[in-house]
Amino acid sequence: DIQMTQSPSTLSASVGDRVTVTCRASQTISYWLAWYQQKAGKAPKLLIYKASSLESGVPSRFSGSGSGTEFTLTISSLQPDDSATYYCQQYSGYVHTFGQGTKLEV
Amino acid sequence: QLQLEESGPELVKPSETLSLTCSVSGGSITANNYYWGWVRQPPGKGLEWIGIIYYSGSPYYNPSLKSRVTISVDTSKSQFSLNLSSVTAADTALYYCARHTIEVAFDYWGRGILVTVSS
Repeated sequence: DIQMTQSPSTLSASVGDRVTVTCRASQTISYWLAWYQQKAGKAPKLLIYKASSLESGVPSRFSGSGSGTEFTLTISSLQPDDSATYYCQQYSGYVHTFGQGTKLEV
Repeated sequence: QLQLEESGPELVKPSETLSLTCSVSGGSITANNYYWGWVRQPPGKGLEWIGIIYYSGSPYYNPSLKSRVTISVDTSKSQFSLNLSSVTAADTALYYCARHTIEVAFDYWGRGILVTVSS
């Protein structure tokens, strides 16, 4: 099984800051990596797919990078609405895995 | 606009089988490039991938649940289902159904249904 490890687990930052969340895979997954945002009481929302492709309608301050085993989600200028938990997910092959999540407080 | 909606019992007794259905509307469950899947989230915890299925293919499961889980599709009703057998309190969670688009991941989600395992 491919394990996904996110860091940090929690993050506190201010409006306008640039923040980065890291996700590491236990083996190479090429660029089959997605990022989701989940707010309290809501279903996850897809932000990024194929490591760096921005889902339609997602603000351009969100970006993703990486390939192989190491990936990052960057929010370039934090907004209050970005307070949420962020998850990475690998979808290499047919058995997929989520990271444990990063709780971001703005 | 595609919509997914989970339904089923919200209370299940230990050792019994949890059965949920996801109804798909606003799009075809038999369209190419889409898998249909389940994700769960225990209260206060992270997301756990359960499995996915193509409308005409075999399902793929989380190895940790594989011995207890079955995912199936009913194209005539535009629904897909989750069965999880021999449940325990550890299976108490918010269960989501979602669409997995090939090369994109889960791009549409249901609102989720909270299933509690308790006697």
